[in-house]
Amino acid sequence: QSVLTQPPSASGTPGQRVTISCSGSSSNIRSNTVNWYQQLPGTAPQLLIYGNNQRPSGVPDRFSGSKSGTSASLAISGLQSEDEADYYCAAWDDSLFGWVFGGGTKVTVL
Amino acid sequence: EVQLVESGGGLVQPGGSLRLSCAASGFTFSSYEMHWVRQGPGKGLEWVSFISSSGGTMYYADSVKGRFTISRDNAKNSLYLQMNSLRAEDTAVYYCARQFYYGGQSGLAFDIWGQGTMVTVSS
Repeated sequence: QSVLTQPPSASGTPGQRVTISCSGSSSNIRSNTVNWYQQLPGTAPQLLIYGNNQRPSGVPDRFSGSKSGTSASLAISGLQSEDEADYYCAAWDDSLFGWVFGGGTKVTVL
Repeated sequence: EVQLVESGGGLVQPGGSLRLSCAASGFTFSSYEMHWVRQGPGKGLEWVSFISSSGGTMYYADSVKGRFTISRDNAKNSLYLQMNSLRAEDTAVYYCARQFYYGGQSGLAFDIWGQGTMVTVSS
């Protein structure tokens, strides 16, 4: 059971907008910033969004993040086939004194 | 090229030990704090351990506390994870990851990841 809660799956057709939620608590998401990682099939995770809504160099602006209270979300606009991957949210937890991840959301492009 | 390369994984019996290594290149290793993160078969990501840039501060997940030890050798640009008293539930791909500070009170993220090394604990 992951400390951060994500839906196990999400899907959309090419060009659609997909949103993934990440629910936490006052000790993690409310108190600290949220990062998102993308894991393409058979590869290592890579940083997708940091600081709730910042994109590292090279990440398309189709990806956006937001945070409100104890929840965060990742949006993918203009969904493309290469976006099929697992997506994980993460935050530092002040009570556990460690990093916590969501269980991951598998995005499928129909 | 900035790169992390893990090694040392393999098959080990329950109760056994294994030492993982992570070789860093393309950046000033001694300036960065580092982590180990694992992923069980078909499962999500789980943070395992942290070490400061000097090696003087370490944190562990409760699931590995007292059994795993993180260390580093800045002269060799290397990160290590000594795993003792291994259990079946430790079976996972183990990734080393670089910590990136981007500002503010909690401005931290894992910006570089290795390709991972597989650890299987089974009799």
